[in-house]
Amino acid sequence: GAVVSQHPSWVICKSGTSVKIECRSLDFQATTMFWYRQFPKQSLMLMATSNEGSKATYEQGVEKDKFLINHASLTLSTLTVTSAHPEDSSFYICSAPRQSSYEQYFGPGTRLTVT
Amino acid sequence: SQQGEEDPQALSIQEGENATMNCSYKTSINNLQWYRQNSGRGLVHLILIRSNEREKHSGRLRVTLDTSKKSSSLLITASRAADTASYFCATALFGGYNKLIFGAGTRLAVHP
Repeated sequence: GAVVSQHPSWVICKSGTSVKIECRSLDFQATTMFWYRQFPKQSLMLMATSNEGSKATYEQGVEKDKFLINHASLTLSTLTVTSAHPEDSSFYICSAPRQSSYEQYFGPGTRLTVT
Repeated sequence: SQQGEEDPQALSIQEGENATMNCSYKTSINNLQWYRQNSGRGLVHLILIRSNEREKHSGRLRVTLDTSKKSSSLLITASRAADTASYFCATALFGGYNKLIFGAGTRLAVHP
């Protein structure tokens, strides 16, 4: 079964509003989680590394004030897209490393559509 | 940022045939992983090969790694329609605390 969940699985919002996406690790703790975005028929682009109890680390070119990340517990990271615009429409995926391994568990993704 | 390219970008084959996908990367790596993504879904880990390994097998999957050429290949033997998906390589860098950088991906279509 799924070991990383995301909520919601899809969301439609109006331009200018904020949207929060949750990523949960099920039955295991994740001090680190990763957030990716994926455009249709393209690859995953790493946006940021979410660190439990400390600030997220953003990849070059990703606006930290626009994509707010909070990793408040060992099983939950949230990504908030602030003042969303149509160009933010994308598929957002989170992942968490498997313990003592380099493998990652991926969430099922959240499709965001900004109208 | 993306680590490198994958080719082909798309591959269409018949059931029973083998499918080979290639991946190139740019920097030194700790390991390279292959993931599968069904349309509109999350990714599923397939296989990991460490930088000191040259070949690895898992069921119908065979992965090779050539660190001198900074390239890897994924071979799926005796393909099935259920193998239809996008396949991505991802590299883990040394000291990267599990951060993965993905290749462009190959969209595989297996026709019955």
